[in-house]
Amino acid sequence: DGGITQSPKYLFRKEGQNVTLSCEQNLNHDAMYWYRQDPGQGLRLIYYAQRVNDFQKGDIADGYSVSREKKESCPLTVTSAQKNPTAFYLCASSIVRQGLYSGNTIYFGEGSWLTVV
Amino acid sequence: AQKITQTQPGMFVQEKEAVTLDCTYDTSDQSYGLFWYKQPSSGEMIFLIYQGSYDEQNATEGRYSLNFQKARKSANLVISASQLGDSAMYFCAMTQVFTDKLIFGTGTRLQVFP
Repeated sequence: DGGITQSPKYLFRKEGQNVTLSCEQNLNHDAMYWYRQDPGQGLRLIYYAQRVNDFQKGDIADGYSVSREKKESCPLTVTSAQKNPTAFYLCASSIVRQGLYSGNTIYFGEGSWLTVV
Repeated sequence: AQKITQTQPGMFVQEKEAVTLDCTYDTSDQSYGLFWYKQPSSGEMIFLIYQGSYDEQNATEGRYSLNFQKARKSANLVISASQLGDSAMYFCAMTQVFTDKLIFGTGTRLQVFP
């Protein structure tokens, strides 16, 4: 089945450690995104990658890094510099269409819960 | 700057009734997309419906319809014949021009009761 797979579903991290969240898609989508969601709030964009090796910071990129070495994968690293990393992380992807723009549908994975202990 | 506003933190509806979830947006762009997503307690974000800024007709997807009023900058979601499984958080979102970066509202928690 086509879709977006995030792993692990639950992750515990000690303070001062880096951790990497995996995101893989087999939808042949060009663009991939990482969002963070805190309890009771909407999503905020961390990073987005419009294509391989082409990514840009979102609204809350400090303390995070991404890589996009191949189209199917876009892992997110939460570094020790991120002071409040406990949150729900969602990966997403979309096709970048040419022509008159009016928005491309963005599809999400099932998310990863990160807790700092 | 673009912004999405959802003024209803919570809504209740009886099973089989229709419900409208409000969404207003602010943008100076001519090209944008409007989306509604459903987030059940499991956490996944499920795409429901999309409306392009150039679309003249309101979008519909099964029991979901989007009441798009461009001059008022509103994009309300209408769920007809509510089901117990519709109980979830609902987020309105819009894309920034030519980037597909989604801006989300704060969400509305819908509870459907028998």
